[in-house]
Amino acid sequence: QLQLQESGPGLVKPSEALSLTCTVSGGSISSDYWGWIRQSPGKGLEWIGSIYYIGSSYHNPSLKSRVTVFVDASKKSFSLKLSSVTAADSAVYYCARHRGNSWYTDFQHWGQGTLVTVSA
Amino acid sequence: DIQMTQSPSTLSASVGDRVTITCRASQSMRSWLAWYQQKPGKAPKVLIYDASNLESGVPSRFSGSGSGTEFTLTISSLQPEDFATYYCQQYDSYLTFGQGTKVEIK
Repeated sequence: QLQLQESGPGLVKPSEALSLTCTVSGGSISSDYWGWIRQSPGKGLEWIGSIYYIGSSYHNPSLKSRVTVFVDASKKSFSLKLSSVTAADSAVYYCARHRGNSWYTDFQHWGQGTLVTVSA
Repeated sequence: DIQMTQSPSTLSASVGDRVTITCRASQSMRSWLAWYQQKPGKAPKVLIYDASNLESGVPSRFSGSGSGTEFTLTISSLQPEDFATYYCQQYDSYLTFGQGTKVEIK
């Protein structure tokens, strides 16, 4: 059974970078698209970005150039880096697997989520 | 981007009720829409994809329909475990979610 687990710091200082990793178990990371979604009380669910196992990535235009998503297939993991964070980036961050062989799909499998707070 | 607006924001219903949630798109889109259920402290769980396809393992009391700018999620007979928040998500132009509909006990 496919499982996804987010990991990373729960507290990040303003203006610094937020870095999270999602580790995949119970299945292969190959031939699939993987994504990051966040959820905050103020903005609801927001797609951040997605990546193909060979490295092609796509991100939400509203987050502009602050988002980097990268994959390490050898470690069966993919990661998110969000630069120059502010309090508005405080949220529960989820990693997930897209359905099928595209990033223009829904999210079929989700991690449990990890809370990240941006505060000095 | 396509903006998704759900209605109502909150819905009070009783066990056995037929419940309908609507998701309206800011522009006409293909039927690339999913519905999720989320319970407190848990990740969303997909119920419906491509507007009307039932995810494997999801009870048949859940159904989805719609096209163009209006899509609906229907629960034919509300069960105790269905009290939760429901979200739509479009994947026709980038990926965006509705703001959610909380189904609470009447």
